Amino acid sequence: DQQVKQNSPSLSVQEGRISILNCDYTNSMFDYFLWYKKYPAEGPTFLISISSIKDKNEDGRFTVFLNKSAKHLSLHIVPSQPGDSAVYFCAASSGGSNYKLTFGKGTLLTVNP
Amino acid sequence: NAGVTQTPKFQVLKTGQSMTLQCAQDMNHNSMYWYRQDPGMGLRLIYYSASEGTTDKGEVPNGYNVSRLNKREFSLRLESAAPSQTSVYFCASSEGPYVGGEQYFGPGTRLTVT
Repeated sequence: DQQVKQNSPSLSVQEGRISILNCDYTNSMFDYFLWYKKYPAEGPTFLISISSIKDKNEDGRFTVFLNKSAKHLSLHIVPSQPGDSAVYFCAASSGGSNYKLTFGKGTLLTVNP
Repeated sequence: NAGVTQTPKFQVLKTGQSMTLQCAQDMNHNSMYWYRQDPGMGLRLIYYSASEGTTDKGEVPNGYNVSRLNKREFSLRLESAAPSQTSVYFCASSEGPYVGGEQYFGPGTRLTVT
């Protein structure tokens, strides 16, 4: 039973436009959510996180939105750049801790020049 | 700072062979983790160590053992490798099990079991 779902395996956008990556979760105990970015042959790198007490968190070009009632979060990248092309993983944890992360399967973002 | 380092980068084993994947971090982190990534499966937690001296099972622990050797090092052992253990293995560390302490990942070990 997949508790964190990223239903779009891939997404392609034009440079300068907005990229929106979506993530749904089923476990209502999850209270901390993270996005990681992964380039080929490298380990994932942390991008941005959000606690369940918030509904939005911004860091430069990256914004994460959380809709608790819908059990849905999204990552917005504005403007998208070719260097943003990577696999993006959504992850979640419970109990106010950041360990025992549950990851989604990832979405491959391609930003075309 | 090297961050999180993993050795080896690549390994090919025959079914039944054993091996240990090594992981070390130089960030003075308390918590360390082992994940595996399979095609189309995302990352799945194998084992974790919240602090030195403790280890706990994650989502997919069968066929693996771990040792938290000291605060810096966390190894993953395959006693009798099976083709189902062909995967990319990532080690990660974090300051501790509290909100805001992101996990930092190593570059991965690509393991093939024939």
